[in-house]
Amino acid sequence: DIQMTQSPSTLSASVGDRVTITCRASQRISNWLAWYQQKPGKAPKLLISQASSLESGVPSRFSGSGSGTEFTLTINSLHPDDFATYYCQRYDSDSWTFGPGTKVEIK
Amino acid sequence: QVQLVQSGAEVRKPGASVKVSCKASGYTFTAYYVHWVRQAPGHGLEWMGRINPNSGGTNFALKYQGRVTLTRDTSIRTAYMELTSLKSDDTAVYYCARNFNGLDVWGQGTAVTVSS
Repeated sequence: DIQMTQSPSTLSASVGDRVTITCRASQRISNWLAWYQQKPGKAPKLLISQASSLESGVPSRFSGSGSGTEFTLTINSLHPDDFATYYCQRYDSDSWTFGPGTKVEIK
Repeated sequence: QVQLVQSGAEVRKPGASVKVSCKASGYTFTAYYVHWVRQAPGHGLEWMGRINPNSGGTNFALKYQGRVTLTRDTSIRTAYMELTSLKSDDTAVYYCARNFNGLDVWGQGTAVTVSS
């Protein structure tokens, strides 16, 4: 089974910072990767699909890149509303897998 | 608007079963897979499985094969997830979600507590 890892597990940052989260797959998954944002007590929200396609309504400060086994989520100029946990997810087959998550917290 | 509305919180004893519903509105129910994801307290998201509402075909994470049943009733636009032989570590929030290039619409979550 393909495993997903994320780094870092926790990231301390300030408003206005540029942050990057990395997601790695144990095997190639082409670009079948999504990114989600989750806030405490809320359902996840889809930010990016197919590794780099921004969902409608998601601010342009979010961007995704990568293909194969290594992917990144970048948030340019962190806003107060962006402090949350971020998950990557592969969806290249009949069995999907989430990464363990990256918590972005206030420095 | 497009939404998924789940059934309310449940409390069960170990060994029992639970069935959670997920009612779709605002879109063609049979056109999109419905997935189930759970989140134990303080933990990350865990994909459980999916159902094709059109055909009824299902896929599951290895961990849940044999213990989870996914069904749907197209006449009332509702998907169901039943988990059997509950254990305390099945205590979690269970989400349904629509699949359109990732999971683009989520239910509000159903808290399931397993306790003796």
